[in-house]
Amino acid sequence: EVQLVESGGGLVQSGGSLRLSCVASGFTFSSYWMHWIRQAPGKGLVWVSRVNSDVSSTNYADSVKGRFTISRDNTKNTLYLQMNSLRAEDTAVYYCARAFSPSVRGVGYWGQGTLVTVSS
Amino acid sequence: QSVLTQPPSASETPGQRVTISCSGSSSNIGDYNVYWYQQLPGTAPKLLIYGNNQRPSGVPDRFSGSKSGTSASLAISGLRSEDEADYYCAAWDDSLSGVVFGGGTKLTVL
Repeated sequence: EVQLVESGGGLVQSGGSLRLSCVASGFTFSSYWMHWIRQAPGKGLVWVSRVNSDVSSTNYADSVKGRFTISRDNTKNTLYLQMNSLRAEDTAVYYCARAFSPSVRGVGYWGQGTLVTVSS
Repeated sequence: QSVLTQPPSASETPGQRVTISCSGSSSNIGDYNVYWYQQLPGTAPKLLIYGNNQRPSGVPDRFSGSKSGTSASLAISGLRSEDEADYYCAAWDDSLSGVVFGGGTKLTVL
């Protein structure tokens, strides 16, 4: 069974930093693209970033480019999101998500999410 | 403002059929597979449809997806009260080099 468990969320002041983690199990982690997707309170889903299977390629939404860094450790089956210079508008539930299959880019499986609250 | 366009709400009575539309462009739906997700209140999204019209195991055949050109749709037949949820479409976008989502459709089962 695919499991994605996020951690690291919490309350942080504007301008601060936070590092999210996502531990994966139930599949060959190193074979899949991984994504971070967020959802502000009462709002829709917004893609944040993705990393390919061997960490040779990453992409970011314009809203987080230069502030957030996605990474992964395939030896630890763990995905990370380093968030710096946080703003109030970064307040959201952050979901770790796995590509549906090794050969596609679409999101198939989601973690339960971790809440990040940025106070101004 | 979401890249993919969905109606914000839809409603229908139990047992009936409802369709939710998702409109995009050549850089996303036109060139890539569409995915649909169901999000029940207070929970993480769950995959309903992948590859435009494929259902993962465990998803009832009451749920179906289709795609034509730069638009897609999700149909739910035999509506049940437990189908009341938010539904999102998504696709890869070449211009943005990322996943784009619709704004979500809140389905009410009357």
